[in-house]
Amino acid sequence: GAVVSQHPSRVICKSGTSVKIECRSLDFQATTMFWYRQFPKQSLMLMATSNEGSKATYEQGVEKDKFLINHASLTLSTLTVTSAHPEDSSFYICSARDGAGLNSPLHFGNGTRLTVT
Amino acid sequence: GENVEQHPSTLSVQEGDSAVIKCTYSDSASNYFPWYKQELGKRPQLIIDIRSNVGEKKDQRIAVTLNKTAKHFSLHITETQPEDSAVYFCAALGGGGNKLTFGTGTQLKVEL
Repeated sequence: GAVVSQHPSRVICKSGTSVKIECRSLDFQATTMFWYRQFPKQSLMLMATSNEGSKATYEQGVEKDKFLINHASLTLSTLTVTSAHPEDSSFYICSARDGAGLNSPLHFGNGTRLTVT
Repeated sequence: GENVEQHPSTLSVQEGDSAVIKCTYSDSASNYFPWYKQELGKRPQLIIDIRSNVGEKKDQRIAVTLNKTAKHFSLHITETQPEDSAVYFCAALGGGGNKLTFGTGTQLKVEL
């Protein structure tokens, strides 16, 4: 089945530094990828929709200058958390839709546990 | 935008019993409703989904029902097993067609 690979799985960084997370679709092309954030014992909250070759669409309340998204190819989207602070510590998960149809299954990466000290 | 509510937040059942999780959605144009199972620290895994032109779908011990009029859908797990213990999320694909909105999750615990 379709596989979405996400790296790194865990990262610890100091406050003020930037962290890049990669999301790759391994056996399918994804013109659209989605980035979610999940705090402990909470639901997945959509942060932004990453569109290949164009600017990402951010959800209300998500700072686009803090969470930089680049979707330079049909198989790779990156999320960079800039000037990270402890409140950015969370589980970040990317996903991609396998297929052109809007009802195509959404496959998730393994997630990245970010801890900002 | 779409709003998805999910109940209960926690559910404990005895092994072999059935478990039911219910969700409601607000956008009448929503047309796709997947259910995900998430184990601690892992990615959500799609376990079953249903489209708006279908009222019920079953896959072995798992079934999902959809009531479009009432805008609610439910997950039914029969003959529960300890490995069914996890957090389950419902979701709805809004009428805009692109964004999946998740429910708040249900922590299911199957006790021996």
